[in-house]
Amino acid sequence: DGGITQSPKYLFRKEGQNVTLSCEQNLNHDAMYWYRQDPGQGLRLIYYSQIVNDFQKGDIAEGYSVSREKKESFPLTVTSAQKNPTAFYLCATFGPGGVNEQFFGPGTRLTVL
Amino acid sequence: AQSVTQLDSQVPVFEEAPVELRCNYSSSVSVYLFWYVQYPNQGLQLLLKYLSGSTLVESINGFEAEFNKSQTSFHLRKPSVHISDTAEYFCAVTFSGGYNKLIFGAGTRLAVHP
Repeated sequence: DGGITQSPKYLFRKEGQNVTLSCEQNLNHDAMYWYRQDPGQGLRLIYYSQIVNDFQKGDIAEGYSVSREKKESFPLTVTSAQKNPTAFYLCATFGPGGVNEQFFGPGTRLTVL
Repeated sequence: AQSVTQLDSQVPVFEEAPVELRCNYSSSVSVYLFWYVQYPNQGLQLLLKYLSGSTLVESINGFEAEFNKSQTSFHLRKPSVHISDTAEYFCAVTFSGGYNKLIFGAGTRLAVHP
């Protein structure tokens, strides 16, 4: 069953703690993306990776970090430097060749207590 | 810089009525346009897309959108909505050379009432 898995679905953390959100895909897609969704603001790009061992900052990268050690995995760490981390986080992939579509995971809702 | 504007944050409508969700974009280069749908606490699903060719594109569940280059618009329409169409709808754009990064509008919440 091909697709994108994000875990956990709900995540709670205390202020000042780092937390890592998981994104795994078995679509054999090269490119992967992390978006943040806030009510009334649509989705904003945090980081993206076109290929293993390479990634670039998106529009709102401050307070976040990523790694891309494997094609299948693109974890996102929300650090204590992120001032307002409570949001819905979505991971997406894009397959090889041309302009087609991005495929989205089910999302992780992060709440900072 | 590219941007996307969804003109309505919420659209209430009665079941079986027609609906139009408006989307305008700003870009100085050729664009590719998408509509995504999101049900509560879920990821986004592609509804339809315009890449090239016919300016009218259709989805399998009765939605359609028309690319209008002169008005820089990509409005989404459905002639008769169902309760199950209640969701949030996002218009998005990417462009040639943009590494397939999507720029999203703020979203339109469609609420279908019986």
